Amino acid sequence: EDKVVQSPLSLVVHEGDTVTLNCSYEVTNFRSLLWYKQEKKAPTFLFMLTSSGIEKKSGRLSSILDKKELFSILNITATQTGDSAVYLCSSRGNTDKLIFGTGTRLQVFP
Amino acid sequence: EAGVVQSPRYKIIEKKQPVAFWCNPISGHNTLYWYLQNLGQGPELLIRYENEEAVDDSQLPKDRFSAERLKGVDSTLKIQPAELGDSAVYLCASSAYLAGPYNEQFFGPGTRLTVL
Repeated sequence: EDKVVQSPLSLVVHEGDTVTLNCSYEVTNFRSLLWYKQEKKAPTFLFMLTSSGIEKKSGRLSSILDKKELFSILNITATQTGDSAVYLCSSRGNTDKLIFGTGTRLQVFP
Repeated sequence: EAGVVQSPRYKIIEKKQPVAFWCNPISGHNTLYWYLQNLGQGPELLIRYENEEAVDDSQLPKDRFSAERLKGVDSTLKIQPAELGDSAVYLCASSAYLAGPYNEQFFGPGTRLTVL
């Protein structure tokens, strides 16, 4: 059965800290892995990763995929209170169906 | 560009009552998805439409859930009758292309359903 596991489930940090969120996946015929940020509303798209070792970067956020180890990380540097959210990792095989993890809840305090 | 629109944002009903959720995808998006998100969990796909055709409804509990996308644009998800366990957030998403493993899915704000 396809599955996505995220860790940690919850993380509390202070502004300015750097955090690393983890995502492991088991997906038949893997094609892509997507990260979303979810505040109290719609999940918003962050990154889509398809190739190993190629870092995707957007401001203070970056992500990389390891297809050999079936693993991805999402890094956030110099965290701000506005980064507080649930970060969802999802993966899919050769269909359109996304399999989501349970998410990592990040809380950033001033 | 307007995002995915859902209504209502919140709904409180008593068990055994019917309820319906509406979704309008981003203009021009062919593929529409309905997801269920329980508290503390990631979204789970209920049904996926390509234009007006339901191409994956394997996760939809068909005894009480139904969905339609008659003209291939907006969509309605219905529950009849609702049960206590249906309390959750119902998310709608859309993507620009037909089925494929590299599509970016854009989500709406969701409808939070509470069944009393």
